[in-house]
Amino acid sequence: AQSVTQLDSQVPVFEEAPVELRCNYSSSVSVYLFWYVQYPNQGLQLLLKYLSGSTLVKGINGFEAEFNKSQTSFHLRKPSVHISDTAEYFCAVSVGGWMNSGGSNYKLTFGKGTLLTVNP
Amino acid sequence: DAGITQSPRYKITETGRQVTLMCHQTWSHSYMFWYRQDLGHGLRLIYYSAAADITDKGEVPDGYVVSRSKTENFPLTLESATRSQTSVYFCASSESGVSTDTQYFGPGTRLTVL
Repeated sequence: AQSVTQLDSQVPVFEEAPVELRCNYSSSVSVYLFWYVQYPNQGLQLLLKYLSGSTLVKGINGFEAEFNKSQTSFHLRKPSVHISDTAEYFCAVSVGGWMNSGGSNYKLTFGKGTLLTVNP
Repeated sequence: DAGITQSPRYKITETGRQVTLMCHQTWSHSYMFWYRQDLGHGLRLIYYSAAADITDKGEVPDGYVVSRSKTENFPLTLESATRSQTSVYFCASSESGVSTDTQYFGPGTRLTVL
């Protein structure tokens, strides 16, 4: 079974400072990795995902993440944050192929989230 | 507008009552999902559906019932609500059930069971 650990439940930073949100995963098979963002009172939306290829993945709003297989990590970074980046960020991992009724081998597992608060 | 919508956005009910949360998507996505979000637990999958009339249990299905008679709708019913079902519920959809697919989330329904 796979699991996701987001190492910080809350990260406060000042505007224009760099930020890193940490995510580690555990899986016995190859995984696909996602970062979702949830703005206040909204649903989740995809920031970026790693499927294969280059380990540095660029997403929306200036965010990027680096897949590190040896350290089983997928940390999210932004060089300069804005007030509008205040949100909760979820790391997620999926394994398996198809999600089939009656016997799925596909599962998307979310971390518990990191609340990023950007202060002026 | 295209997208995925949920109703109601907020609901307060009493223990033992039946509650139905609605989810509607306009993309004709095959797969739809129901999650609950609780502090300290992240998101947990309740049920999912691969197509109309095909549904299956997720991680925490007890106390919930789903149906999917039309591709675009995926209602979630709490047949006899309990306080432990107080949570924020998110509906999501994806084009296929492949593990590389992006899931698109609705705005959520905040349910309080008194």
